[in-house]
Amino acid sequence: SQTIHQWPATLVQPVGSPLSLECTVEGTSNPNLYWYRQAAGRGLQLLFYSVGIGQISSEVPQNLSASRPQDRQFILSSKKLLLSDSGFYLCAWSSGIPIYEQYFGPGTRLTVT
Amino acid sequence: GIQVEQSPPDLILQEGANSTLRCNFSDSVNNLQWFHQNPWGQLINLFYIPSGTKQNGRLSATTVATERYSLLYISSSQTTDSGVYFCAVEETSGSRLTFGEGTQLTVNP
Repeated sequence: SQTIHQWPATLVQPVGSPLSLECTVEGTSNPNLYWYRQAAGRGLQLLFYSVGIGQISSEVPQNLSASRPQDRQFILSSKKLLLSDSGFYLCAWSSGIPIYEQYFGPGTRLTVT
Repeated sequence: GIQVEQSPPDLILQEGANSTLRCNFSDSVNNLQWFHQNPWGQLINLFYIPSGTKQNGRLSATTVATERYSLLYISSSQTTDSGVYFCAVEETSGSRLTFGEGTQLTVNP
């Protein structure tokens, strides 16, 4: 069966520091991968998605970037964190055609101080 | 882009009550999913239901794609049903989910 991992689970970082969040998927190959952010309140916002190694689409221009160095690895990064980067970051995967169902990881709660 | 509206935004129930949550969307979709976000933040897949009706225990869902809405039914609610319920859709032209703002459900003992 497929499993998705995220780490760290929680993170407290000062403004201006770098960020690296990692997401890995097991039990599937060539998944579509996604990064979402959930700010205070309830809505989830798609940040990046990837349909293959090295292929990244950005949904929202901001202080963050994403990379996919391996088939089942998705990394979210920042060179200098802002206070507004605080939030709950969720990684998700889907197998793509013909079924688009997405499955989410446990998330990383980031607090920028 | 596609718009997703969920109602009601908040719902408080007594244990044992039934409820219906609604999701309206503004365009044709490839995918519609219902999630439950538990108190720890984990998004739990409830249904993958771009059309038709499905049931899983006390929960069932119906999507009427031609009329652009979906309903999630919770019967005999339990305190463990508390949390936020999200509807999310994927446009026919895209490969990513757009989420509604969720329904915060509180089930009191």
